[in-house]
Amino acid sequence: GAVVSQHPSWVICKSGTSVKIECRSLDFQATTMFWYRQFPKQSLMLMATSNEGSKATYEQGVEKDKFLINHASLTLSTLTVTSAHPEDSSFYICSASSPGRTEAFFGQGTRLTVV
Amino acid sequence: AQSVAQPEDQVNVAEGNPLTVKCTYSVSGNPYLFWYVQYPNRGLQFLLKYITGDNLVKGSYGFEAEFNKSQTSFHLKKPSALVSDSALYFCAVRDKGSSNTGKLIFGQGTTLQVKP
Repeated sequence: GAVVSQHPSWVICKSGTSVKIECRSLDFQATTMFWYRQFPKQSLMLMATSNEGSKATYEQGVEKDKFLINHASLTLSTLTVTSAHPEDSSFYICSASSPGRTEAFFGQGTRLTVV
Repeated sequence: AQSVAQPEDQVNVAEGNPLTVKCTYSVSGNPYLFWYVQYPNRGLQFLLKYITGDNLVKGSYGFEAEFNKSQTSFHLKKPSALVSDSALYFCAVRDKGSSNTGKLIFGQGTTLQVKP
């Protein structure tokens, strides 16, 4: 299967700072990438969909100014959590897909802890 | 509206016994169905998918799933469970309302606990 790499695996930051999470497709061109948030023992909540070269589409209730998404190339999307607060602490997962594939492939996730 | 349901929060099975993790779906038309597994603090790993063709789909690590159109189900099965199969399992259906390939609607997840 295709490989999607997410970095960092975990990060601890202070309240008020910003954190950037990277999602890379290593062996295919990902025209579309998805960002999810997951709370403990719960399902994945889709935050936004990003298509290469265009603005991300955010799900209802997700603040676009808070969670900045950039998808500047076919192999890289970034999620920046701006002015992080403790309630932003969560597990963030990206996935990537392309028109030739029926399934999406997931990164290993990023555990964000805001203190 | 499209949806996926996993009616069991947790499934417990003894090592060596067969396991079933249930999934039902509600979509219009022919569904694209998927199973993923998640280990603690990790992303999701693709197990198998049903797109078309044979109703019995074989996937990774000895797992299989049976697509049943009349019952709108896609249960995950394995003939002999291993302790290492203990993890969180997600059933998903591709969102047909979206033009974005790979946009999925997930079930709530089922924790599989395999005891020695």
